[in-house]
Amino acid sequence: DIQMTQSPSTLSASVGDRVTITCRASQSISSWLAWYQQKPGKAPNLLIYEASSLESGIPSRFSGSGSGTEFTLTISSLQPDDFATYYCQQYDSFPYTFGQGTKLEIK
Amino acid sequence: QVQLVQSGAEVKRPGSSVKVSCKASGGSFSTDAISWVRQAPGQGLEWIGGIIPLLETAHYTQRFQGRLTITADESTSTAYLEVNSLRSDDTAVYFCARGTNTWRGETWGQGTRVTVTS
Repeated sequence: DIQMTQSPSTLSASVGDRVTITCRASQSISSWLAWYQQKPGKAPNLLIYEASSLESGIPSRFSGSGSGTEFTLTISSLQPDDFATYYCQQYDSFPYTFGQGTKLEIK
Repeated sequence: QVQLVQSGAEVKRPGSSVKVSCKASGGSFSTDAISWVRQAPGQGLEWIGGIIPLLETAHYTQRFQGRLTITADESTSTAYLEVNSLRSDDTAVYFCARGTNTWRGETWGQGTRVTVTS
């Protein structure tokens, strides 16, 4: 199975900050990577697909980059609604594993 | 509008089985990829299996092989997840998700809480 490792596990930041979350795959997954946001008690919400494509309806302050084994999710200017947990997921090969999550907290 | 609506919460005894449903509306159910993802209390997301209804073949995470059965009924646009031989560590929220021509989760169900307790 492909292992997905996110860092950091927890990130404390303030409204207006620029933040970056990293996701590493244990083997190359080309660009078959998605990023999701999840709030407590809710289903995940797709933000980014194919590593860098913005899902329809997602604000442009979210962006993704990378290919192969190293990927990043950047939020250019944090808004109050962005404090949540973020997950990466590879969909290159079965099983379609997730990273362990990054909890973005208010500083 | 593409939507997924899941069945309600379940409380089960260890050793029993549970079957969770996921009804789709909108889109093209037969050719969509339906994934099942679970989230234990306070934990992260875990992809456990999926199916493309038209192809009928389900894929499973190896550690659940033999305990999970994923099926789909094209006539009712409903996918099902059955978990057998339930254990306390199967207590989790189970989500279905669908993607059009892709296995990424573009649309998600609201989740079904399954509690396994004696």
